[in-house]
Amino acid sequence: RKEVEQDPGPFNVPEGATVAFNCTYSNSASQSFFWYRQDCRKEPKLLMSVYSSGNEDGRFTAQLNRASQYISLLIRDSKLSDSATYLCAVDSGTASKLTFGTGTRLQVTL
Amino acid sequence: ETGVTQTPRHLVMGMTNKKSLKCEQHLGHNAMYWYKQSAKKPLELMFVYSLEERVENNSVPSRFSPECPNSSHLFLHLHTLQPEDSALYLCASSRDRTYGYTFGSGTRLTVV
Repeated sequence: RKEVEQDPGPFNVPEGATVAFNCTYSNSASQSFFWYRQDCRKEPKLLMSVYSSGNEDGRFTAQLNRASQYISLLIRDSKLSDSATYLCAVDSGTASKLTFGTGTRLQVTL
Repeated sequence: ETGVTQTPRHLVMGMTNKKSLKCEQHLGHNAMYWYKQSAKKPLELMFVYSLEERVENNSVPSRFSPECPNSSHLFLHLHTLQPEDSALYLCASSRDRTYGYTFGSGTRLTVV
């Protein structure tokens, strides 16, 4: 099993739609979880951390399910500008080292 | 001034050349990283430096040689690369594991 797995997509959704991505991880000792956004030919940028209690930032909601070892990202009211690749990142459990998924590509259309 | 600065942005080099990538962080972070990103593959961790000490080397070929002279600077020295080394090389820094990384804009490397 890969350390971190994501559905590569692409997810094609119309503007205004709600879309959700999941990311599974294999290391039960992992403590820190993140979602990054990467635009084409740019560096990844931190979108949000994922806390045990779940967290929300505007239209974005991140959740952690430790029992099933996955994190999720929900985007409500999708905008054209949300089109990007969304990477999940999980720490190794013992050090400041993040393992990234391959990313899920989102394309929001008119 | 951005938090993590990488130079050059683009680099084309022959297989016999020697070049260096530079990374500088202005965030007061104490860990720095080199990642490689190839098409259709996840980010691959190459090296980790914590407080200027290399703490991880992920079986990276010796044609890649990192250097961390202080907590703000990180270099990746390249020599006798192969065409399959062409990729986006990303530098990142972090304060600690709970805060995630800040990435530089990357160096797009092409080996010809």
